[in-house]
Amino acid sequence: NAGVTQTPKFQVLKTGQSMTLQCAQDMNHNSMYWYRQDPGMGLRLIYYSASEGTTDKGEVPNGYNVSRLNKREFSLRLESAAPSQTSVYFCASSAGGGALRGYTFGSGTRLTVV
Amino acid sequence: GQQLNQSPQSMFIQEGEDVSMNCTSSSIFNTWLWYKQDPGEGPVLLIALYKAGELTSNGRLTAQFGITRKDSFLNISASIPSDVGIYFCAGLNYGGSQGNLIFGKGTKLSVKP
Repeated sequence: NAGVTQTPKFQVLKTGQSMTLQCAQDMNHNSMYWYRQDPGMGLRLIYYSASEGTTDKGEVPNGYNVSRLNKREFSLRLESAAPSQTSVYFCASSAGGGALRGYTFGSGTRLTVV
Repeated sequence: GQQLNQSPQSMFIQEGEDVSMNCTSSSIFNTWLWYKQDPGEGPVLLIALYKAGELTSNGRLTAQFGITRKDSFLNISASIPSDVGIYFCAGLNYGGSQGNLIFGKGTKLSVKP
C-alpha cells in the first residue's frame, strides 16, 4: 500500500546547485501537488497539476519548476538552489473533482541548502 | 487570497485532558477537512465534513462543520501521548484557485504523560 512515494527523503545542497525531487502515486489520482512546509507557515502550495498534461502555479512558485511526466509522476525542480529554499517538501495527490476526499500526502523530502 | 485562521497555534496539555481547536475564515467553504501530521511524516486525513452543521466522529476525535460554513472545530477527548503532532484544518471550494484546498497554519499539540 504505497500511496504517494517521494524521493529522496533527505538532501543537502550547496547554494547554486540544482536538483529534482521525485514524486509518484499509485492510486490512479488525477491531481498532484507540491507543498513546502516551514515553521509557523503551515503548508504553502508551490505548483499543482489538475490533470495529466497541465500544471499551474500555486502561492510560492518562484525558484521552482515542475513536470507532470505522466499520470503517476510529478517532479519538482530547483534550478539554482538558495538557502531560502531550505524546507520540508511534500507531494500530494487527489482524485480530482474538487478533492472531496482530501489529499494523500507523501512522507516528505527534507532539503537543506547551505 | 483565501486564508484560514487556525487557533490555538500550540497547546501543552496533560494526558487525559480534552482538547479543542478551531479554524475560521472570512470565506465560505463547501468542505472542511482535518489532518494530523506526526513528527517526521506527511499529514494524514482524520475527518472530512461535507455539510453545514455536520458533526462527525472518528474514535476520540469529533469535528463539526460550522453553520455559517466559515468555521470548523476539532475536539479530542481524553488525550493520550500518541496524539502529539500538528493538526491542520483545510477548506475546499469547488473551482477555486490554488488547487482548491486551503490549509490553516496548524495547531501543534504536546501531551505530557
